[in-house]
Amino acid sequence: EVQLVESGGGLVKPGGSLRLSCAASGFTFSPCSMNWVRQAPGKGLEWISFISSTNNYIYYADSVKGRFTISRDNAKNSLYLQMDSLRAEDTALYYCARDGSYANYPHYFDYWGQGALVTVSS
Amino acid sequence: EIVLTQSPATLSLSPGERATLSCRASQSVSRYLAWYQQKPGQAPRLLMYDASNRATGIPARFSGSGSGTDFTLTISSLEPEDFAVYYCQQRSNWPTFGQGTKVEIK
Repeated sequence: EVQLVESGGGLVKPGGSLRLSCAASGFTFSPCSMNWVRQAPGKGLEWISFISSTNNYIYYADSVKGRFTISRDNAKNSLYLQMDSLRAEDTALYYCARDGSYANYPHYFDYWGQGALVTVSS
Repeated sequence: EIVLTQSPATLSLSPGERATLSCRASQSVSRYLAWYQQKPGQAPRLLMYDASNRATGIPARFSGSGSGTDFTLTISSLEPEDFAVYYCQQRSNWPTFGQGTKVEIK
């Protein structure tokens, strides 16, 4: 069974940093592209970052570019999101999502974790 | 950025009825459109991709159609577990989602 489990969420002050992790199991992680998608409370979905299987292709939404860094460790079957210079508008549930293709850019999201809640507030 | 507009915002139907959800793109996305279902407190679930392909394990009562800028998700006969929020998503450009359609029990 495919499982994606996010961790590392919490309460942080504006301007602060947080690192999210996503532990993958139930499938072969290394060939899969991965994404982070977030959802503000009571709102819709927003794709924020993509990483290809070998780290060669990395993309960000404009809303997080220059502040967030996506990375992965295939040996540990893990995906990460380093979030710096956090703002109130970054408050959201952050989902780790497997890409449904093996392409070098984001396609569709065929498996999702349950999310990690990030709250940015003073 | 490609904007996806979903209609209606809320659809009130009874179990057994047919549901028709619409998603319109601000520019052509060819057939690069997906649909997701999200229930309260749960992560989204992929239903359809590339407009008309059902994802793994999705029942045949779900179908998708469309191309270019106009797309439709149809649920032929609503089951109790189908009452949820549905989102469309395009991958023609950087991924964007529609604002969602809530299918509620009438």
